[in-house]
Amino acid sequence: DAKTTQPNSMESNEEEPVHLPCNHSTISGTDYIHWYRQLPSQGPEYVIHGLTSNVNNRMASLAIAEDRKSSTLILHRATLRDAAVYYCILREISSDSSYKLIFGSGTRLLVRP
Amino acid sequence: NAGVTQTPKFRVLKTGQSMTLLCAQDMNHEYMYWYRQDPGMGLRLIHYSVGEGTTAKGEVPDGYNVSRLKKQNFLLGLESAAPSQTSVYFCASRDQSWVYNEQFFGPGTRLTVL
Repeated sequence: DAKTTQPNSMESNEEEPVHLPCNHSTISGTDYIHWYRQLPSQGPEYVIHGLTSNVNNRMASLAIAEDRKSSTLILHRATLRDAAVYYCILREISSDSSYKLIFGSGTRLLVRP
Repeated sequence: NAGVTQTPKFRVLKTGQSMTLLCAQDMNHEYMYWYRQDPGMGLRLIHYSVGEGTTAKGEVPDGYNVSRLKKQNFLLGLESAAPSQTSVYFCASRDQSWVYNEQFFGPGTRLTVL
């Protein structure tokens, strides 16, 4: 399984942008990059995903390096509600056409008021 | 829509006891998953199902069994609980279409085995 590397924790001030990095140097050409986050005492929730091009949605932006060996999740204006553990995950396709999410330990984001 | 629900929310077992965790989804999703999360760690996949009547092993299947008799339900069973199975268990589901990549997670079941 391809692996991702993320910092254990990061801090941000409220209403400032946050850049959460992820390294995935062993990524293969068909691996999608997914980001999920887990708020305290809740199940994970989907944030964004991409393959090669940068992606934007209502929650965040995903910037993918040209060689795809790293990516950055961008929260444009952090709020207190964004305090969570953020997981960068490589989605691999299984032989049964399913796919599995292999979670690492993620980055704990602390947001200061 | 309720999304993904899990029953029960909390449970305490003694070593050797058995129990079944129920996951239900009302989104007509084909794929369903069971994960466990130990303190300070990410989720690990136990078993998954690609459709009614099918199941497959994930990363950490030992000590667990699953069944998918109905499309909307995915059951996780512990036949003889051990303290090492103390964890928070999450269920998830997703649509089979490749257009929709999102897994939807339930709120979790906190299990303690004494």
